[in-house]
Amino acid sequence: AQKITQTQPGMFVQEKEAVTLDCTYDTSDQSYGLFWYKQPSSGEMIFLIYQGSYDEQNATEGRYSLNFQKARKSANLVISASQLGDSAMYFCAMREGPRVERALTFGSGTRLQVQP
Amino acid sequence: DADVTQTPRNRITKTGKRIMLECSQTKGHDRMYWYRQDPGLGLRLIYYSFDVKDINKGEISDGYSVSRQAQAKFSLSLESAIPNQTALYFCATNIKQGRELFFGEGSRLTVL
Repeated sequence: AQKITQTQPGMFVQEKEAVTLDCTYDTSDQSYGLFWYKQPSSGEMIFLIYQGSYDEQNATEGRYSLNFQKARKSANLVISASQLGDSAMYFCAMREGPRVERALTFGSGTRLQVQP
Repeated sequence: DADVTQTPRNRITKTGKRIMLECSQTKGHDRMYWYRQDPGLGLRLIYYSFDVKDINKGEISDGYSVSRQAQAKFSLSLESAIPNQTALYFCATNIKQGRELFFGEGSRLTVL
């Protein structure tokens, strides 16, 4: 079974609007971490935001917020006030278990295109 | 200069050739990882290393080998490259108790 599922291969959004990128995960561990990375066309991987499974509040970093719904096992990324520079691939990832040195498992990604 | 440097950034080679991708980091991190990225599949873990003497296979290690020459250097080798190893390869690092991974800029490998 897929550990991380991103069901939206591609998304379009108008500049200045908000957009939600979906991510669901599968784990039997109680302790885990969820991540979002951005990959622009230049190829580098840029860390955006992190949510721990025991964090009571949804993580926020500037225009990025993570809508964490533990019972539904979803960790959707919300980008507010989209900008043209937000056009990129976005990857959801998970680290399972309490040991932070475990490697991340990535989803297949969502390509976001911001239209002027 | 990038904290995590990968060389070469682009390489085209032929089936059967031996290829080495190198990764060096100036972040002082002890944990290093190699991932490959294929369209529609995201990033998949090839090998990872927690220190010079600790190397572990990831999800897709067949056809690859690694060497951790020093804390700062982690190399990925394809002993006999095949076309389905055409991909974008990423090196990543983090510290013990660290959270996110820090990625290199990627090495695009094409096997003809």
